[in-house]
Amino acid sequence: AQKVTQAQTEISVVEKEDVTLDCVYETRDTTYYLFWYKQPPSGELVFLIRRNSFDEQNEISGRYSWNFQKSTSSFNFTITASQVVDSAVYFCALKGSGNTGKLIFGQGTTLQVKP
Amino acid sequence: DTEVTQTPKHLVMGMTNKKSLKCEQHMGHRAMYWYKQKAKKPPELMFVYSYEKLSINESVPSRFSPECPNSSLLNLHLHALQPEDSALYLCASSQDPPLTGLSYNEQFFGPGTRLTVL
Repeated sequence: AQKVTQAQTEISVVEKEDVTLDCVYETRDTTYYLFWYKQPPSGELVFLIRRNSFDEQNEISGRYSWNFQKSTSSFNFTITASQVVDSAVYFCALKGSGNTGKLIFGQGTTLQVKP
Repeated sequence: DTEVTQTPKHLVMGMTNKKSLKCEQHMGHRAMYWYKQKAKKPPELMFVYSYEKLSINESVPSRFSPECPNSSLLNLHLHALQPEDSALYLCASSQDPPLTGLSYNEQFFGPGTRLTVL
C-alpha cells in the first residue's frame, strides 16, 4: 500500500521565520516520484517540485528548499524567511511506478504566516 | 503557457439540473484529469483521459459523466447530483499519460469550479 503522512495539520509562524513542513511516505515500489503542491485560498494547486526516487540530491529554489532522505522515507520542505504570501495549504504527494497516474496525497499542512 | 483554465468558477445547481464543467489546456499535454476536493481534504482522483480516451474511472457514480472532445478540452457533465457532491472540482493535465512508462510527469492544475448542489 502507498501512503503519505503530513503530521502537521496547521502551522502558524511570524513573517521572516523559517518553517519546515514534514512529509513521510510509504511505498513498496523501488521507483517512485514525490511532489509538493501549494494551494492558496484561491483554490488552484500550484506545482512546486518533483523528485525521483533515484535522485536524492536536495534542491533549493529561492527561499524554498527540499530535503529528500530515502533512509527515513521523508521529503521535507523548508521555507526560509517566510512571507505572508506563503500562507496556503501545502500537499505532499506520491506517485508509484504503477503507471496509473494516480497521485497519493497527504492530508495537507495549512501554513499561516502572520505579519 | 503553463495554464489550465476552468469554467465556470462557481456553480450553484439544483438536484434535478443538468450542467457541465469545462476545462481547457494548450500545453500539448496528452493526459487530463478530474479531481474532487472537499473542504480541508486532499483532492481525490475521479477520471483520467489518455490520448482522449478514458483510461481510469475511480468508481465514480454515473451522475458524473466525463467527455474529452479533443486533446485540449475536457468536460464533466453533471446530472441529478446530491448535496454531498458539493465540492471544488479540479481539472489537471500532464505531458505524458499513464500506462506509457512515462508517468512521472507532474500534473498542472486549473483553478477549479466550486460547485454547490442545493
